[in-house]
Amino acid sequence: NAGVTQTPKFQVLKTGQSMTLQCAQDMNHEYMSWYRQDPGMGLRLIHYSVGAGITDQGEVPNGYNVSRSTTEDFPLRLLSAAPSQTSVYFCASSYGGSYGYTFGSGTRLTVV
Amino acid sequence: GQQLNQSPQSMFIQEGEDVSMNCTSSSIFNTWLWYKQDPGEGPVLLIALYKAGELTSNGRLTAQFGITRKDSFLNISASIPSDVGIYFCAGQRSDGGSQGNLIFGKGTKLSVKP
Repeated sequence: NAGVTQTPKFQVLKTGQSMTLQCAQDMNHEYMSWYRQDPGMGLRLIHYSVGAGITDQGEVPNGYNVSRSTTEDFPLRLLSAAPSQTSVYFCASSYGGSYGYTFGSGTRLTVV
Repeated sequence: GQQLNQSPQSMFIQEGEDVSMNCTSSSIFNTWLWYKQDPGEGPVLLIALYKAGELTSNGRLTAQFGITRKDSFLNISASIPSDVGIYFCAGQRSDGGSQGNLIFGKGTKLSVKP
C-alpha cells in the first residue's frame, strides 16, 4: 500500500521555467490537496479537489494550476517559476474533508 | 488567510518529562487534528477529535477538543528521544470557512535539551 506518492523529491528550476509536480494516491480518496510549507509558516493550502473533475483554489493559488482527471492523480503545475515559489510542497488525500489527511513525503523545490 | 495560534513555538524536552502544547482560534471548529512531522518527511496524523470536550489517547499522547470549540490541547507523557520533531495542530471550521479545508497552526518544534 503506497499511500500518497509524490515525484520528484527534489527539483531545481530557473526563474521562468515551468514544471509539473506529480501526486498519486492508491487509497480511493475523493479529497486531494496541495500545500506549501515555508519556515515558520506552517502549511498553506494552494489548491484542492473534492473529486475527479472538481478543483478549487485555496489560500495561496497564484502561480499554480491543477487538474483532476482521475481519482488517483492530482498534478500541480507551476506556470512560470519565481524565487518566491521556493518551498516544500506536500500533496495530501482524505476520504472526506473532516477526516485526517494522509500526506506524501514532499517535493523540495528551489527556484534560482 | 487565517491560521491557528499554536504555542509554544519551540520547546526542549528531557527524557521522561511530560510535554504540553495547545492551539487556539477565534473561530469555532468542528474537527481538530494533531500531526507530527519528522525531518524530510510529510506530517503524520497522531490524533483526530470530532466532538467538543472529547478526550482521546494514542499511547503516550492525549489530546482534547476544547469545550468552547475554539481550542485544543496535546499532551505527551514520559517523553522519549523519538518524540522530537514538529507537531502541528489542524482544524476544520464549522461555518464552512476556508472552503471546509484544514487550517494549520505554525507548529511546535520539540528538541532534546542540550
